Amino acid sequence: NAGVMQNPRHLVRRRGQEARLRCSPMKGHSHVYWYRQLPEEGLKFMVYLQKENIIDESGMPKERFSAEFPKEGPSILRIQQVVRGDSAAYFCASSLGTRGNTEAFFGQGTRLTVV
Amino acid sequence: AQSVTQPDIHITVSEGASLELRCNYSYGATPYLFWYVQSPGQGLQLLLKYFSGDTLVQGIKGFEAEFKRSQSSFNLRKPSVHWSDAAEYFCAVVGNDMRFGAGTRLTVKP
Repeated sequence: NAGVMQNPRHLVRRRGQEARLRCSPMKGHSHVYWYRQLPEEGLKFMVYLQKENIIDESGMPKERFSAEFPKEGPSILRIQQVVRGDSAAYFCASSLGTRGNTEAFFGQGTRLTVV
Repeated sequence: AQSVTQPDIHITVSEGASLELRCNYSYGATPYLFWYVQSPGQGLQLLLKYFSGDTLVQGIKGFEAEFKRSQSSFNLRKPSVHWSDAAEYFCAVVGNDMRFGAGTRLTVKP
């Protein structure tokens, strides 16, 4: 049973390009979280999704950032027109659900560098 | 939404000394609480969790944490720190969704 898979592990983009980060949750998990970790900072919540639904996107910047979790396939975090300040590690976590005896399992992260 | 505060950004302890990392949460109901550890360049690994029952929970690597409702705290402890424990530690609370504290970086002196 594979864990949470994120790809790519490292992504380099020039300013103004688009970045697409993928997250495949653990088998059977229908809840996905995205977090951003800036250098020397903690984890910042970005968005919480269930299959085909955005539940809470209060941590997402209002512009250029979007996320989806389609019925089939991985969850995608898309950053349009990237800027240097977007350079960070982006972590995805999945869980069976927010309540009950569940925990979140994390991927290894995608490290985005904007040059 | 719920929130988590880790008051200590950086803690340094000597190898063999005891450790306590603080975590305070804010949530209207009984939360589910977690501690995660992140080694440099790695993802997060679950150390322990609290859902209900005994307020003192045991985790991996010799860590334990105690849930104190009256203080809204879930502090992480270890009696004797090893050099390999140097890492970033995150407290998390699950209410409507999962939120993390800013993390505490642990440095272990020889």
